[in-house]
Amino acid sequence: GQGVEQPDNLMSVEGTFARVNCTYSTSGFNGLSWYQQREGHAPVFLSYVVLDGLKDSGHFSTFLSRSNGYSYLLLTELQIKDSASYLCAVSMPNYNVLYFGSGTKLTVEP
Amino acid sequence: DMKVTQMPRYLIKRMGENVLLECGQDMSHETMYWYRQDPGLGLQLIYISYDVDSNSEGDIPKGYRVSRKKREHFSLILDSAKTNQTSVYFCASRPPGQGNSDYTFGSGTRLLVI
Repeated sequence: GQGVEQPDNLMSVEGTFARVNCTYSTSGFNGLSWYQQREGHAPVFLSYVVLDGLKDSGHFSTFLSRSNGYSYLLLTELQIKDSASYLCAVSMPNYNVLYFGSGTKLTVEP
Repeated sequence: DMKVTQMPRYLIKRMGENVLLECGQDMSHETMYWYRQDPGLGLQLIYISYDVDSNSEGDIPKGYRVSRKKREHFSLILDSAKTNQTSVYFCASRPPGQGNSDYTFGSGTRLLVI
């Protein structure tokens, strides 16, 4: 729902960075959330952005551009344990219902 | 430690059987959700509950119903399970407040319908 799209896979190298992209086609949403999901586990909340621009939270940063329907999650100083799926979701005004993309599986190689 | 607990963790049922998936939370959150997750499709919303006996259909409610008789419990029921309901089911709750989107998810129930 809400046309949330993410690439299926992304690979990067330990110690570098990875940018997980997300595009969406909805308007009138409250904000955009990012979750991390390890294989066989529940999604875990990482970040919620409402305003345009970059929100720096240390290891994870998030960017939002409402006019372009685009967000990304930036992971810096990658570690092997950052290998996981990263889910993007738009939060709609009706009881903050989240509409998720299908997730990007990030593989961090040594 | 805030928790959403789902039972059972794994379940195998035959086509046509009834299925009950249970979810509990210890945070007194009013709003709870049921999602299913399938490869390539991501998390899809089945039902929302705003509080006790106040439920609303999500995007894919067909074949499912829910029950919320106590704030801390939210059940998903499949009457006469079908093979295409094989999936991983996640329950989630959300803290109050307009801007809150930090759902807490349960560990999921992996349902196989044969």
